[in-house]
Amino acid sequence: GQQLNQSPQSMFIQEGEDVSMNCTSSSIFNTWLWYKQDPGEGPVLLIALYKAGELTSNGRLTAQFGITRKDSFLNISASIPSDVGIYFCAGLGTSGSRLTFGEGTQLTVNP
Amino acid sequence: DAMVIQNPRYQVTQFGKPVTLSCSQTLNHNVMYWYQQKSSQAPKLLFHYYDKDFNNEADTPDNFQSRRPNTSFCFLDIRSPGLGDAAMYLCATSRAGYRSSDEQYFGPGTRLTVT
Repeated sequence: GQQLNQSPQSMFIQEGEDVSMNCTSSSIFNTWLWYKQDPGEGPVLLIALYKAGELTSNGRLTAQFGITRKDSFLNISASIPSDVGIYFCAGLGTSGSRLTFGEGTQLTVNP
Repeated sequence: DAMVIQNPRYQVTQFGKPVTLSCSQTLNHNVMYWYQQKSSQAPKLLFHYYDKDFNNEADTPDNFQSRRPNTSFCFLDIRSPGLGDAAMYLCATSRAGYRSSDEQYFGPGTRLTVT
């Protein structure tokens, strides 16, 4: 089946720093989604990407759909303590509605 | 606000005692999903409904079943919970299913504890 490799697994940064995380796959995806999950809560959709090369921003968040359709990255600028959580990438392939999730990136922001 | 609601947020059940988790949505989405998520792992799809059409994942144990009586509600039934079934259960919805790229919206989850 399709697999997504997400990196890094964890990040420890200082408040105000920029953050970058990415997902790669050997398979092509039609859609890339980025979610944030707080402890004890469900994932919240941050950004959805639909076209190869697409660059989309949502406040301090920017995500890109890779040209090859096999990768995506998420950047967070000027991090703040409430950015703490687990970030998941997810891809929707050509076979239907099943999302393939990355393993997640645990972000810690020190004030 | 349109949303996905899960009840209860926390559920404790005894080993082998059947339990039902519920999900409702006000988004009027035609696809509803149930995921299992264990600590520090990505959500794992158990099954989904496309309208009334039930789609089970090949590796979902028979112990897990689901019902969707109408568009808004979907239930997860665990017939005989084992200790290994303790997890967060997430419900999600989307507007369309097969052959369509689409976004999934998650509820807040139900944390199941098995004693």
